[in-house]
Amino acid sequence: AQSVTQLDSQVPVFEEAPVELRCNYSSSVSVYLFWYVQYPNQGLQLLLKYLSGSTLVESINGFEAEFNKSQTSFHLRKPSVHISDTAEYFCAVTRSQGNLIFGKGTKLSVKP
Amino acid sequence: EAGVAQSPRYKIIEKRQSVAFWCNPISGHATLYWYQQILGQGPKLLIQFQNNGVVDDSQLPKDRFSAERLKGVDSTLKIQPAKLEDSAVYLCASSLRPQGTEAFFGQGTRLTVV
Repeated sequence: AQSVTQLDSQVPVFEEAPVELRCNYSSSVSVYLFWYVQYPNQGLQLLLKYLSGSTLVESINGFEAEFNKSQTSFHLRKPSVHISDTAEYFCAVTRSQGNLIFGKGTKLSVKP
Repeated sequence: EAGVAQSPRYKIIEKRQSVAFWCNPISGHATLYWYQQILGQGPKLLIQFQNNGVVDDSQLPKDRFSAERLKGVDSTLKIQPAKLEDSAVYLCASSLRPQGTEAFFGQGTRLTVV
C-alpha cells in the first residue's frame, strides 16, 4: 500500500529565509507525485507535480521539488519565502487510478 | 472557467441526523472524487467516480455513507445517520481523466456533528 509521510507538522520561518518541507513516500511501483497548497478558508490548489522526465519541477511562484527515487522523497523548497506563502502544504502520491494519497500536511508560517 | 462548486459551505447537525452535500465539477471533467479531511490530517479518499460509474469506494463507510453521480455530472454525498467522528471537511474534486492530470478541488463543506 502507498503512504506519504510529511516529517514536519509545522515549520516557522522568517520572511526571505529559505525553506524546505520534507515528504517521503512508500510505493513499490512508479508513482506520480504532487504538492498541493491550502490557504486559510480555501480549497486545495495544485502547486507542482512530477509525472515523468526531469526530476526537478518548478512552480510559477518560486517553489521547486526534486523527485529522488532512491530516497523515495519529493521535498519542496523555496530559496526565499514571503508572508503570502503562509499556508498548509500537502504532499500526495498516486499510482494509476488517480486517487491521491495525502500526507498529514505541513503548516508553513512565515513571520516578518 | 468555473471551478468545482460545493454546497453548503458549513453545516451543523446533531448526531443521528442525516445530511447531504452537493458537488458540481468542472465542465467536461469525467472523474469526480469525494475526500474527507479530519482536522489535523490530510484528505482521505471516500469515493471516486468515472463518469457515472464507481471506480473506488473501498474507504467509504457504506453502512452510513452513500454517494451518487446519476448523470455523470454533479454528485451528492449523504451521511445517515451521522456520528460525532464524521465532523470533518468534505472536499469534492474533479479531473479530466484519472491518470496524471491535475485534480481541481472545491472549497469544501465543513460538517460539525454535535
